[in-house]
Amino acid sequence: AAGVIQSPRHLIKEKRETATLKCYPIPRHDTVYWYQQGPGQDPQFLISFYEKMQSDKGSIPDRFSAQQFSDYHSELNMSSLELGDSALYYCASSPGGVGEQYFGPGTRLTVT
Amino acid sequence: AQTVTQSQPEMSVQEAETVTLSCTYDTSESDYYLFWYKQPPSRQMILVIRQEAYKQQNATENRFSVNFQKAAKSFSLKISDSQLGDAAMYFCAYRSARNTDKLIFGTGTRLQVFP
Repeated sequence: AAGVIQSPRHLIKEKRETATLKCYPIPRHDTVYWYQQGPGQDPQFLISFYEKMQSDKGSIPDRFSAQQFSDYHSELNMSSLELGDSALYYCASSPGGVGEQYFGPGTRLTVT
Repeated sequence: AQTVTQSQPEMSVQEAETVTLSCTYDTSESDYYLFWYKQPPSRQMILVIRQEAYKQQNATENRFSVNFQKAAKSFSLKISDSQLGDAAMYFCAYRSARNTDKLIFGTGTRLQVFP
């Protein structure tokens, strides 16, 4: 069965640089969620989209922005990167925003 | 605001034995979902089991079962016949029944399985 695809899987950036993370949800899933998991922490919700509209927002820094495109894939844009942004970024998708969320393998971002 | 608490940072179990991981939560909502996710060293988040709050019957998935006590706001995970592959971080998570609502995770319990 098709799963959530995230790219890239690993990303190394320097401070103050910009990063773009991509998420391709499971086919026919119209809801996408982004989570950030710092070292030794639980995943924290960043932002979600339903039918290409932002549906909820968590503790996402103003330096981050995201959108969902017409094919339902989503991109998380992160600017002016800081050392503290180093984390595992998960994308999850669900059908119609209900039920369980299926997670992608995550993108590990390292900021040096 | 809803919160999820996992009071056991680490647990260990011998292969083939049974272990129970604890989770409590706080909410004022009456309709919600509860989940257990497994995060092995690969860091993939794998859904283990799901419970709808309106269902009195405890969910089971093969060797995994839950003890859902709605009044006590408790949601423990029982793993029977533990296997080496069960070793992982386990996260308890809450989600409102509202559409598109986010998951709220507990801090996780690291499970070690000894041969």
